[in-house]
Amino acid sequence: GESVGLHLPTLSVQEGDNSIINCAYSNSASDYFIWYKQESGKGPQFIIDIRSNMDKRQGQRVTVLLNKTVKHLSLQIAATQPGDSAVYFCAENHSGYALNFGKGTSLLVTP
Amino acid sequence: KAGVTQTPRYLIKTRGQQVTLSCSPISGHRSVSWYQQTPGQGLQFLFEYFSETQRNKGNFPGRFSGRQFSNSRSEMNVSTLELGDSALYLCASSFGQSYEKLFFGSGTQLSVL
Repeated sequence: GESVGLHLPTLSVQEGDNSIINCAYSNSASDYFIWYKQESGKGPQFIIDIRSNMDKRQGQRVTVLLNKTVKHLSLQIAATQPGDSAVYFCAENHSGYALNFGKGTSLLVTP
Repeated sequence: KAGVTQTPRYLIKTRGQQVTLSCSPISGHRSVSWYQQTPGQGLQFLFEYFSETQRNKGNFPGRFSGRQFSNSRSEMNVSTLELGDSALYLCASSFGQSYEKLFFGSGTQLSVL
C-alpha cells in the first residue's frame, strides 16, 4: 500500500519557538491531508486539514503547507507552548478511502 | 455536543477469548471508523461503517469484525484473541465520507495475556 512517513520521530523545541513537523507521502493521487495531535491517554485530536488544490492553510497558531511537487507536508506551530507537547500524526486520503496515518512525531516543548 | 464515547476504557483478556468493544459517535454523525494503534505499527485502519453498512475494510484477519446499529452506534468484535492483538482500539466518527476529518474517542486499551 501507499506510505505516509515522517522525517523525524522526535522533536525538541524551546517554549516560545516555532515548531515545524514534516511529513512525506508517496501517492501522487492523495487529495486530502490532515494533522492530528495525540496526548498521552487520549485519542487523536484534529488540528487542521488541507485539500490538494491548496498549498497553504492557516489556523490558530498553526499553518499547514503542502508541496505536491515533492510530496511533502509540514505543520508549523507558532510560539510553541508546553501544552503543545504531544505526538503529531499526518494522514492522507486518496480515492475516498480511509485515512492513512503516518507513524507520528513526538514533540517535546522545554521551558 | 458530546464527543465520541468508547467503552470499556480498559480490558484484560487471555488468549483464545473474544472481546466486544463499543463506540457511540457524535450525535448526527453517520460514519464510524475503527483503528488499531500500536507503538510499532501506528494507526491502522480496521473498517468503516456508514448507515449500518461496511463501506471499507483494512487488511486485518476475519477474526476482526464489526457492525453498526440504526442509531449509528458501533461495535467491534475480536474472536480467538492473540497476544499481538494487544493495542489501543480507537473509534472515530464523521458526518459523511470517511476521508473527512474524523473525531476520535479516547480508545479502549486491550491487553491480551
